[in-house]
Amino acid sequence: SNVLTQPPSVSVVPGQTASISCGGSNIGSKSVHWYQQKPGQAPVLVVHDDSVRPSGIPERFSGSNSGNTATLTISRAEVGDEADYYCQVWDSSSADPYVFGTGTRVTVL
Amino acid sequence: QVQLVQSGAEVKQPGASVKVSCKTSGYSFTVYHIHWVRQAPGQGLEWMGWVNTNTGGTDYAQRFQGRVTMTRDTSTATTYMELSGLRSGDTAVYYCARRRDTAMKTPFDYWGQGTLVTVPS
Repeated sequence: SNVLTQPPSVSVVPGQTASISCGGSNIGSKSVHWYQQKPGQAPVLVVHDDSVRPSGIPERFSGSNSGNTATLTISRAEVGDEADYYCQVWDSSSADPYVFGTGTRVTVL
Repeated sequence: QVQLVQSGAEVKQPGASVKVSCKTSGYSFTVYHIHWVRQAPGQGLEWMGWVNTNTGGTDYAQRFQGRVTMTRDTSTATTYMELSGLRSGDTAVYYCARRRDTAMKTPFDYWGQGTLVTVPS
């Protein structure tokens, strides 16, 4: 089955840029979605279809996808961005087609 | 506004079943399918399956087949997830999430608040 690999943790200084990778075989051919999950809360969609921000999501969140890696970028990071982030794809070739990444804890310090 | 409201926390004994509900409002029920995702303590998100809110058809993740049943009631815009043969490893927060029916690859754009199911060992 498809595996989406993310770094367990990323640290960033307030005001700087954090990049979170999501690695998977030929992920560039799939639509990647990103979710933010703060402690004790349900996930929230922050980027869909590789690079589209839903209404209400700050422009500081952006995404890209090519080859075997998709990336979520948080520009001008704020303390409020501290959360776990998950990538997700629909993989038509997988027995379990809805796949989540392993998750990344972002710390803003 | 769009809302997905789940039923309350449950504590179940090993071997029992649990049925979690997800009541939706604020949009046309059959235009969005409902998926179920669970999260064990300190772990990541795990997709369990989904129900086609229009036809009632279902698709389950392989590891849950035979143990999970997902249904919907269009009259109340509510979806249900029942998991049987519970064991301690099923202790988790269970989320429902909606996905637009236009394509299989559409994202989960709204989520329920989660339901904690505890199965003591």
